[in-house]
Amino acid sequence: EPEVTQTPSHQVTQMGQEVILRCVPISNHLYFYWYRQILGQKVEFLVSFYNNEISEKSEIFDDQFSVERPDGSNFTLKIRSTKLEDSAMYFCASSVARQYFGPGTRLTVT
Amino acid sequence: GQQVMQIPQYQHVQEGEDFTTYCNSSTTLSNIQWYKQRPGGHPVFLIQLVKSGEVKKQKRLTFQFGEAKKNSSLHITATQTTDVGTYFCAGFGGATNKLIFGTGTLLAVQP
Repeated sequence: EPEVTQTPSHQVTQMGQEVILRCVPISNHLYFYWYRQILGQKVEFLVSFYNNEISEKSEIFDDQFSVERPDGSNFTLKIRSTKLEDSAMYFCASSVARQYFGPGTRLTVT
Repeated sequence: GQQVMQIPQYQHVQEGEDFTTYCNSSTTLSNIQWYKQRPGGHPVFLIQLVKSGEVKKQKRLTFQFGEAKKNSSLHITATQTTDVGTYFCAGFGGATNKLIFGTGTLLAVQP
């Protein structure tokens, strides 16, 4: 079965630093998403991306967050100035008919 | 905003017992999806229900979508240790591309 891949698997950063989380969606998919999951909690929608632009975003996705598809394969999530409460698992997903989730990046902000 | 709640939060069963998780949305859903997340893993799509009152089966799993399209349930018959994980419902509400996840039910199965 095709897979979404994400790198790194774990990122540790200091508060105030910028981080970029990377995702390679499944190649023929058109919709891309970022979700986050704080430890022990539910999965929360951050943003959806289609046709090289954001199609929807949640209230969590404020000015500190941005997404980009810099080339034909990667899809990135940037957090400009990380806060302690950004510590979470970040999942990328891509879809045609249904969503396929990547393995996630665990972000730890110290 | 739209909220999707699940009960129970946690269920511990003996292997062979049945298990049910219930999902309730504050708004009508265009469809409902179910995901399973193993401990330390990522959500894995199980199924999608679209029609009011729809029932679908996957081996020991039975999924139901309520008549009003605001609730859903997942029933597992004769649980096995491989069923361990958190089961999330998720839905799109209205004209939106946001997939809103439920609060999840963590299933523990004792052999």
